[in-house]
Amino acid sequence: DAKTTQPPSMDCAEGRAANLPCNHSTISGNEYVYWYRQIHSQGPQYIIHGLKNNETNEMASLIITEDRKSSTLILPHATLRDTAVYYCIVYPTGTASKLTFGTGTRLQVTL
Amino acid sequence: GAVVSQHPSWVICKSGTSVKIECRSLDFQATTMFWYRQFPKQSLMLMATSNEGSKATYEQGVEKDKFLINHASLTLSTLTVTSAHPEDSSFYICSAIEGTQDQPQHFGDGTRLSIL
Repeated sequence: DAKTTQPPSMDCAEGRAANLPCNHSTISGNEYVYWYRQIHSQGPQYIIHGLKNNETNEMASLIITEDRKSSTLILPHATLRDTAVYYCIVYPTGTASKLTFGTGTRLQVTL
Repeated sequence: GAVVSQHPSWVICKSGTSVKIECRSLDFQATTMFWYRQFPKQSLMLMATSNEGSKATYEQGVEKDKFLINHASLTLSTLTVTSAHPEDSSFYICSAIEGTQDQPQHFGDGTRLSIL
């Protein structure tokens, strides 16, 4: 069972920020929040992950609430190439464990 | 960044034949690799976990004699679909982890298998 809840779809205008929410109210203290995306007919692409603090890399920013029950992935300037299914996954630290993919959010970036 | 290469990207074969799919970590050593399957408009489902030098661990409902996994080196895992049938047609994707802890999984681009 996926331990996260995401909206099934979202739209975003090109050049605007895309904010993708994720609820993970049952997250444990030793679980990371990971984000992946899957562009049509490709393998998933790792985006970012975090434990407690907000994180930023060249692709995106991850904002985790203080109680860690929800998070938001931010694509600061969405482009058409960011159209994909985005998966939010909780994942235990200190292991090489399997990823459990839910249904994700289908982000459509439009002109 | 970590790159995982999967080969072939697309294969079509007749029912009853066996098909081998390779998964390679190109710039890192992968102690653990995973094999997933994805049917159209569905999410990825884990089939098995492969650890270098040991037997794979299969998820419930996945036939280990049908889906043979070999992880003979730290950079290569193979999945062989034996006696493939049309219902085995799917998108097969591998992933690999560098080290064992707190590292993201990196995925190959998948293999689209079509059994006629």
